[in-house]
Amino acid sequence: SQQGEEDPQALSIQEGENATMNCSYKTSINNLQWYRQNSGRGLVHLILIRSNEREKHSGRLRVTLDTSKKSSSLLITASRAADTASYFCATADLSYNTDKLIFGTGTRLQVFP
Amino acid sequence: EAEVAQSPRYKITEKSQAVAFWCDPISGHATLYWYRQILGQGPELLVQFQDESVVDDSQLPKDRFSAERLKGVDSTLKIQPAELGDSAMYLCASSLGYSADTQYFGPGTRLTVL
Repeated sequence: SQQGEEDPQALSIQEGENATMNCSYKTSINNLQWYRQNSGRGLVHLILIRSNEREKHSGRLRVTLDTSKKSSSLLITASRAADTASYFCATADLSYNTDKLIFGTGTRLQVFP
Repeated sequence: EAEVAQSPRYKITEKSQAVAFWCDPISGHATLYWYRQILGQGPELLVQFQDESVVDDSQLPKDRFSAERLKGVDSTLKIQPAELGDSAMYLCASSLGYSADTQYFGPGTRLTVL
């Protein structure tokens, strides 16, 4: 089962524009992570935000977490064609004893040169 | 930079045949995960090992799937017999500790069952 749902499902923008993706989840979490997946490849970890954090930055990435709304957003600033990929949020669900991650359905980002 | 290795990268098989996938995690990583990813969806956990022990296989179809991690290092995932619905990407990941921290993914094995 997949807990997180990303919105939008697909996003197309021009190089230089900002891209914002949202993730909603259902239960209490330990942390929330964002991963990127290029077509046909494995996932690459981007950033982890813990439940007691509200915002985190890494280079051109900005992640926010609102545990009261059970939602997170990923902002990619000044996007590049190389940012074209699928982006997944994953939650470390407190209801599981094994600290497993539950992945969302993903946002497919297309950045045009 | 250390990486998770998987083989084969691609596998085409006929239904009712047996297939096996291999994963070598990053050296020293205690936790190993096998995921199945259907096209257009996020990865779904099949089995999670902490060292050599299975700690979660709740989504593993145990009538046909098996997984082992002998000696707590590399791991094998087997499907016997394969069914058409098993066509998917099979991803292996590892993490350093036992908590839900950063996972490092291999390139995946794309399975096609004909």
